[in-house]
Amino acid sequence: AQSVSQHNHHVILSEAASLELGCNYSYGGTVNLFWYVQYPGQHLQLLLKYFSGDPLVKGIKGFEAEFIKSKFSFNLRKPSVQWSDTAEYFCAVNFNQAGTALIFGKGTTLSVSS
Amino acid sequence: KAGVTQTPRYLIKTRGQQVTLSCSPISGHRSVSWYQQTPGQGLQFLFEYFSETQRNKGNFPGRFSGRQFSNSRSEMNVSTLELGDSALYLCASSLMQGDGYTFGSGTRLTVV
Repeated sequence: AQSVSQHNHHVILSEAASLELGCNYSYGGTVNLFWYVQYPGQHLQLLLKYFSGDPLVKGIKGFEAEFIKSKFSFNLRKPSVQWSDTAEYFCAVNFNQAGTALIFGKGTTLSVSS
Repeated sequence: KAGVTQTPRYLIKTRGQQVTLSCSPISGHRSVSWYQQTPGQGLQFLFEYFSETQRNKGNFPGRFSGRQFSNSRSEMNVSTLELGDSALYLCASSLMQGDGYTFGSGTRLTVV
């Protein structure tokens, strides 16, 4: 069955530190890839998405992600985090053979201290 | 433009009852999906509708059902509620199938 793995359950960083959150998926075919963020008390918001083309995609709020097909990975990065980036981050994959469903990772909680 | 609207925001039901949750997608969006979010299982796909047709269904029992109306609004129904159905139910809409989804704030269902 298709699955999505997020390696880190909880990440704690200081402001200005660099961030990289890992995401791997199980399927080797065509996929659409997403990162969503859920700020405390708010709904899920789309950070960025990858469908095709340049494997390095840029999203909102200075986030970017790199698709590495050979590693089935779609890691999220930010060069310098801010206290306001404290949130839960979800990687999601649309495995095209599974229709339109998004399969989510378990999420990574990011805590940024000022 | 207005986002995805889910009603009600909170709901408390008793075991054995049934419940209907409503979702109004972003205007023009024809694809609506439903997800269940719990602390233990995370976000799990329930089903997806496109132009009033269920296009995909997740691994949930038949007690969970849904439908979509001609105006793209969607409802999901859970019958014979169990304690384990307590969760945040999220609706998401998309302009096209497989495109990025916009999520609503969810309906928090508590079964007692």
